[in-house]
Amino acid sequence: GAVVSQHPSWVICKSGTSVKIECRSLDFQATTMFWYRQFPKQSLMLMATSNEGSKATYEQGVEKDKFLINHASLTLSTLTVTSAHPEDSSFYICSARDLGGHSGADTQYFGPGTRLTVL
Amino acid sequence: GQNIDQPTEMTATEGAIVQINCTYQTSGFNGLFWYQQHAGEAPTFLSYNVLDGLEEKGRFSSFLSRSKGYSYLLLKELQMKDSASYLCAVLLDTGRRALTFGSGTRLQVQP
Repeated sequence: GAVVSQHPSWVICKSGTSVKIECRSLDFQATTMFWYRQFPKQSLMLMATSNEGSKATYEQGVEKDKFLINHASLTLSTLTVTSAHPEDSSFYICSARDLGGHSGADTQYFGPGTRLTVL
Repeated sequence: GQNIDQPTEMTATEGAIVQINCTYQTSGFNGLFWYQQHAGEAPTFLSYNVLDGLEEKGRFSSFLSRSKGYSYLLLKELQMKDSASYLCAVLLDTGRRALTFGSGTRLQVQP
């Protein structure tokens, strides 16, 4: 089946530093990837849509200068949390859109997530 | 705004059947997904419905009624490992294909 990886799986950093999270589609090409954030016991909230070769589309309330997204190839999107603060601590999950339809539908497959803790 | 409602928590017994409901009121609709999420892990795809009716896949079935804005996920022969959160998500936009998630239902399977 379709596999999406994320790296790192967890990261602890000091306030004010920047953290880069990678999302890769391992066995399919993804022109579109999505970045979600999930706080404890809450559902996933879409942050932005990452489009290969063009600028990302951010959801209302998400600061594009703070959450930098780059989708440089058909298999890789990166999210950089710049000048991270404790309130940015969360579970960040990416998903990739598989047009090939491993499930017979235009399905999104999720990466394993990255747990960010900002001290 | 978009409203996708699910019960917060449910409890069921091993070997039994449980139905998790999802109602939605959204500005668009291009399909409904169900995902399973274990604590601390990413969601895994369970089912996709875009037409009315029942989709069966092993122990899991999903039903959709577009006219009623309603879906349910049916889990049969419950196992302890089915204890997880179940997320209902609506695909609003055929262009961007981003999913809008409900708050999720935490299912606890008891012996």
